[in-house]
Amino acid sequence: DSGVTQTPKHLITATGQRVTLRCSPRSGDLSVYWYQQSLDQGLQFLIQYYNGEERAKGNILERFSAQQFPDLHSELNLSSLELGDSALYFCASSVDVLTEAFFGQGTRLTVV
Amino acid sequence: AQKITQTQPGMFVQEKEAVTLDCTYDTSDPSYGLFWYKQPSSGEMIFLIYQGSYDQQNATEGRYSLNFQKARKSANLVISASQLGDSAMYFCAMREPSNTGKLIFGQGTTLQVKP
Repeated sequence: DSGVTQTPKHLITATGQRVTLRCSPRSGDLSVYWYQQSLDQGLQFLIQYYNGEERAKGNILERFSAQQFPDLHSELNLSSLELGDSALYFCASSVDVLTEAFFGQGTRLTVV
Repeated sequence: AQKITQTQPGMFVQEKEAVTLDCTYDTSDPSYGLFWYKQPSSGEMIFLIYQGSYDQQNATEGRYSLNFQKARKSANLVISASQLGDSAMYFCAMREPSNTGKLIFGQGTTLQVKP
């Protein structure tokens, strides 16, 4: 167990819908990262927050947004879902930007 | 731009033998970090080992060691005494030389351990 908790583990939803993925980082970790893993794109960095503030943005679509709350948990919001958004979404956390990141078990999103 | 290359899509190894998973990277920055993660069929990503670009010695963690050859820009993972539970996908990743901690991943290598 990495100490990073992601909910839900599985999510099935229809095209056009909106979903929220939740992540609780390891205790003491200030940095939260979101990654998307798909068969065609591999593991892609989406966005990072550090102590409540956005630190870096990667290949994140405009339909996607995220935030980190004062208690350091983070949410990834995916809207106007398309079939191609089906993927495994990982949250990871680290103490700071120089230490190793520990990953949650992921949320498997299926858009039908 | 930074890039990670894993050229072995799939590997087989006999139980109890050692195996090397290849990883090469490309960066022009002198400061970077290299990581290996394991992803079993259950899907979670498990951190295995880390090597900093300025580390003088190769990193080791139990049965895992990282063969770091800076001049060749390679960071191969060596698993000694393979076990059936080592069957998984293995990803090499590089931390970008920035203040973000963002990781760039290779495409992964699937390792199957044969009994």
